[in-house]
Amino acid sequence: SQQGEEDPQALSIQEGENATMNCSYKTSINNLQWYRQNSGRGLVHLILIRSNEREKHSGRLRVTLDTSKKSSSLLITASRAADTASYFCATGPYTGTASKLTFGTGTRLQVTL
Amino acid sequence: NAGVTQTPKFQVLKTGQSMTLQCAQDMNHNSMYWYRQDPGMGLRLIYYSASEGTTDKGEVPNGYNVSRLNKREFSLRLESAAPSQTSVYFCASLGQPPINYGYTFGSGTRLTVV
Repeated sequence: SQQGEEDPQALSIQEGENATMNCSYKTSINNLQWYRQNSGRGLVHLILIRSNEREKHSGRLRVTLDTSKKSSSLLITASRAADTASYFCATGPYTGTASKLTFGTGTRLQVTL
Repeated sequence: NAGVTQTPKFQVLKTGQSMTLQCAQDMNHNSMYWYRQDPGMGLRLIYYSASEGTTDKGEVPNGYNVSRLNKREFSLRLESAAPSQTSVYFCASLGQPPINYGYTFGSGTRLTVV
């Protein structure tokens, strides 16, 4: 079963606009991560936020985490055509020496010129 | 280039045939994972290996076997392929400490079973 669910499933915006996508999850987590997947390619890690953090920034990315609501959001500011991709949240329990990530179903972002 | 290498990139099998998907990483990572990606379902964990010599089942292990040959290599075997195993397969690895980093993924193997 999927731990995370992204919302919306698809998002279309114009270049320069901000894109916000949300992730909800079901069980307690140690950390939450966001990944990007370009069409036909593997996933690329974007950012990790720990359960004791509320907000994190990396370049044009801003991630928030609300553990009381079991939700996270990813904001991409000043979007570019190159940001067109699918975005996945993944939650990690971190048990022992392995961290089995559980992925959501993804948000497809289309950025048009 | 450092990273995760998967072979082959594409494969077509007939029902009942067997094959092994290969994965190798050169980052000295301890943990390795196999996921499958199906439309509308995100990624689902098949098997993982926390360290050399250990393997464990994930969410969808039926019909698959794995081997952690050494620290670098983690292979996935389909003994008798079925159409339901048509999917894109991704291998990933994770270094230590895992809490600070995300997975590194390979580029995937697109498998079609007819």
